[in-house]
Amino acid sequence: SAVISQKPSRDICQRGTSLTIQCQVDSQVTMMFWYRQQPGQSLTLIATANQGSEATYESGFVIDKFPISRPNLTFSTLTVSNMSPEDSSIYLCSVVMPNYGYTFGSGTRLTVV
Amino acid sequence: QKEVEQDPGPLSVPEGAIVSLNCTYSNSAFQYFMWYRQYSRKGPELLMYTYSSGNKEDGRFTAQVDKSSKYISLFIRDSQPSDSATYLCAMSGEGAGSARQLTFGSGTQLTVLP
Repeated sequence: SAVISQKPSRDICQRGTSLTIQCQVDSQVTMMFWYRQQPGQSLTLIATANQGSEATYESGFVIDKFPISRPNLTFSTLTVSNMSPEDSSIYLCSVVMPNYGYTFGSGTRLTVV
Repeated sequence: QKEVEQDPGPLSVPEGAIVSLNCTYSNSAFQYFMWYRQYSRKGPELLMYTYSSGNKEDGRFTAQVDKSSKYISLFIRDSQPSDSATYLCAMSGEGAGSARQLTFGSGTQLTVLP
C-alpha cells in the first residue's frame, strides 16, 4: 500500500489567514482526495485532485475557499483560505491503490482562533 | 436517510470479549467495503478491505459482507485495551471517477476495559 506524508501535523492560525497543507505519496497515483473531519464527526470529502486538471469539488465546497494544486502524480496541496473558527477540523489526504483500498495520511489538525 | 448507517456507540466491553461492529447501507452499487480504525488525533488506518460479499479474516479481525441484506460487520476476537478507538466503515462503487468515492459511516467509539 502507499505511504502518505502529510504536513503540517497541526497548526493554530489566526482568523482571516490561509494555511497550505501538503501531501506527499511514495508512489504515483492518479487520484488524490482531500477530506475534512470536524470534531466528533466522520469524514467528509472536500474534493478530488487529478494531475493535469482542475480539482472536482463536492457540494458545499468551493475552489476560492479550498484551492488545490496537483503538480505531479505524487504530490498535492490543499489551502484553507480566509479561515474562520468554523474551519477548525482535521484535514486528511487520501489515495486509492488497486487491491489495497484507500490509504489516509495522518492528518492536519487545524485550530483557528 | 443516510447512505451508510453506523451505530455511533459508545461501546464498552471487557478485555477478551468479542466485539461486533455493524453498518447498513442503501446503495446497491457499493462493491468495495472497508473498515478503518482511528485513534484519537490520528488519521484513519485501514484494517480490512473486501470486495463484494463474503468473509475475510486477518488475525483477530473478521469482516463480513452480506450484499443481499446490505449489511457489513467487523468482528474483533480477544479484544485488547489497545483496540480502543473509533471504527469507521466505508464503501465505494466500481468504475472510475465519482463511483469510486468513499462513503463513510459515522463511526463507532469502542473502549476495551482492562
